[in-house]
Amino acid sequence: DAGITQSPRYKITETGRQVTLMCHQTWSHSYMFWYRQDLGHGLRLIYYSAAADITDKGEVPDGYVVSRSKTENFPLTLESATRSQTSVYFCASSVGQGWYEQYFGPGTRLTVT
Amino acid sequence: AQSVTQLGSHVSVSEGALVLLRCNYSSSVPPYLFWYVQYPNQGLQLLLKYTSAATLVKGINGFEAEFKKSETSFHLTKPSAHMSDAAEYFCAVSTSGGSYIPTFGRGTSLIVHP
Repeated sequence: DAGITQSPRYKITETGRQVTLMCHQTWSHSYMFWYRQDLGHGLRLIYYSAAADITDKGEVPDGYVVSRSKTENFPLTLESATRSQTSVYFCASSVGQGWYEQYFGPGTRLTVT
Repeated sequence: AQSVTQLGSHVSVSEGALVLLRCNYSSSVPPYLFWYVQYPNQGLQLLLKYTSAATLVKGINGFEAEFKKSETSFHLTKPSAHMSDAAEYFCAVSTSGGSYIPTFGRGTSLIVHP
């Protein structure tokens, strides 16, 4: 199906475990983004990517790792999950910078116990 | 640097009443501005955007926003609220000062009473 998808939609993991959230888009958009959404904080940017093999830190990158070997995929890895990383994670993509809007995935709700 | 402030984390209106959601931005360079809507358990979707072509921007579902440079504002309005408008609304700004990576406000939850 065309669009932007995220998997899993829900995940429960334990403190200290590694977990990877997947993001896939079918539009060949250049830019991809990872956000976390927390009550009272709105959306905060974790990492973004301007193209395959080009990534950059956002506002809250600590504890997260990203890679982008293919244009359509942008996985987010929590190397050693902590309770403070319990959140809803959104992936987004856009054609380019500036006035281009972002297209968001449905989100992954992650709980770290 | 760029930033966005959304005044009011919650706004409550009656069905049929005017909706006004406030957004003020901070930027020393011309901005691109966006309003997104998020329905429960969904991702965000674009309502409208300002790209300098016109100061009054019309979006989907009867929403519109006016860019006012002198007030550094981009408030979202709808003449008559509908129950289906109940959602979270986010304002975002993109400028050269932020490498054109959008910065989002904290969001405003719109509650519509019957």
